[in-house]
Amino acid sequence: EVQLVESGGGLVQPGGSLRLSCEASGFTVSSNYMSWVRQAPGKGLEWVSVIYSGGSTYYADSAKGRFTISRDNSKNTLYLQMNSLRVEDTAVYFCARDNPAASYAFDIWGQGTMVTVSS
Amino acid sequence: IQLTQSPSSLSASVGDRLTITCRASQGISSYLAWYQQKPGKAPKLLIYAASSLQSGVPSRFSGSGSGTDFTLTISSLQPEDFATYYCQHLHSYPSITFGQGTRLEIK
Repeated sequence: EVQLVESGGGLVQPGGSLRLSCEASGFTVSSNYMSWVRQAPGKGLEWVSVIYSGGSTYYADSAKGRFTISRDNSKNTLYLQMNSLRVEDTAVYFCARDNPAASYAFDIWGQGTMVTVSS
Repeated sequence: IQLTQSPSSLSASVGDRLTITCRASQGISSYLAWYQQKPGKAPKLLIYAASSLQSGVPSRFSGSGSGTDFTLTISSLQPEDFATYYCQHLHSYPSITFGQGTRLEIK
């Protein structure tokens, strides 16, 4: 079965760090473009970052300089390292596959992991 | 590129035909997707490339448009269709944005 499973969310103080994981099954992370998308409580969707199959990475302005996307090919897992966290980073974080066959729309999503930044 | 969905919310009945609009602040050709999201769940891809139906999505869903104006139509609402719908542009991929969402409620 093709699926993504996130983990690593939790409660962290402002200025703290957290690393999110997204384990894939049924397909190979390193062969695909993979994104992180977040959703603040009661709000809409915001794209955060993408890693291309070739390894290039891109970030939303809100994430630049603080977040790092990466992957471990041996574990078929995507990561998002989040540093210098702010209250406004509080959200559910989803990982997703960007499918070039669907014009790079996000065709597979994880269930999400909640990140709460609060003192 | 900004995406504006209308309406922001609406009430409808089972069996109704429904149209949601997404307007882009500049032309995006056909680089638009539609998603459905139910409370506590991940979004689900419905339509990509403005009008292509994602595999497994019921044929009552359809998309149209190009340039700046796009629509998502549900031909006959079913109980499981009550959710929030988002459009997403992919014109300047990877820098993409979503619309603010349209919440569909049961009348």
